[in-house]
Amino acid sequence: GAVVSQHPSRVICKSGTSVKIECRSLDFQATTMFWYRQFPKQSLMLMATSNEGSKATYEQGVEKDKFLINHASLTLSTLTVTSAHPEDSSFYICSASEFNIAKNIQYFGAGTRLSVL
Amino acid sequence: GENVEQHPSTLSVQEGDSAVIKCTYSDSASNYFPWYKQELGKGPQLIIDIRSNVGEKKDQRIAVTLNKTAKHFSLHITETQPEDSAVYFCAARADKLIFGTGTRLQVFP
Repeated sequence: GAVVSQHPSRVICKSGTSVKIECRSLDFQATTMFWYRQFPKQSLMLMATSNEGSKATYEQGVEKDKFLINHASLTLSTLTVTSAHPEDSSFYICSASEFNIAKNIQYFGAGTRLSVL
Repeated sequence: GENVEQHPSTLSVQEGDSAVIKCTYSDSASNYFPWYKQELGKGPQLIIDIRSNVGEKKDQRIAVTLNKTAKHFSLHITETQPEDSAVYFCAARADKLIFGTGTRLQVFP
C-alpha cells in the first residue's frame, strides 16, 4: 500500500507556543489530505479536509484560526496548532488519498502525539 | 450526516478462534467501507475494504461482508493469532470517511 509519513511522532511544548506537524505522501500524489484528532480510547474525529492549492474545509466546531492547514503541494500538508494550550494535547493523525475513481483509498500516517504543558 | 455504530467495544478470544466485529451505518449513500487496524501509539492501517457493488470480500484470514439493504457490514478474522490483538475501526464513506467507535480485540495464546 501507499506510504504516508508524518513528523514529528511526538512533541512536547509549552503553553502558548505553536507546533507544526508535517504529513507527506511518499509514493503517490495526494490530491486530498485529511487531519484527524484522536483522544485516548476514542475514535478518530475528522478535523479538516484539504485539497492541494485550495483552502481547507473545516468540520463544525474546529477553529480554523487555531488549527492552520496548508496543502501547498501534492505530497505535503502541514497542520499548525497555534498558541497551543493543555486542552490541545491529543493524538493527531493525517491521511492522504489519491483521486482515482476506482480507488480513492485513504492511507494514514503514524500519528503525532502532542503534549502541551 | 453519516453515523457509524460498532460492536462489540471489546472482544477477547482464544488463539485459533474466530472473531467477528459488526458495524451499522445510517447514510444509504455510503458506498465504501474500509476496516482499519490500529496498534497502540500508531496510526490506523488499512486491512481490507469493500465497495457497495459487492457483498463479500476475502483476503487470507480476513473477510468482510456487506448487507446494503440492512446497512450492516462485518469483519471476520479466522484462526486468530496474538499479533491480531489491536483496536479495529470500521468506517463508511458517502462524501467523507466516518469511523465507528472501535473494537479492542485481545487474542490470548
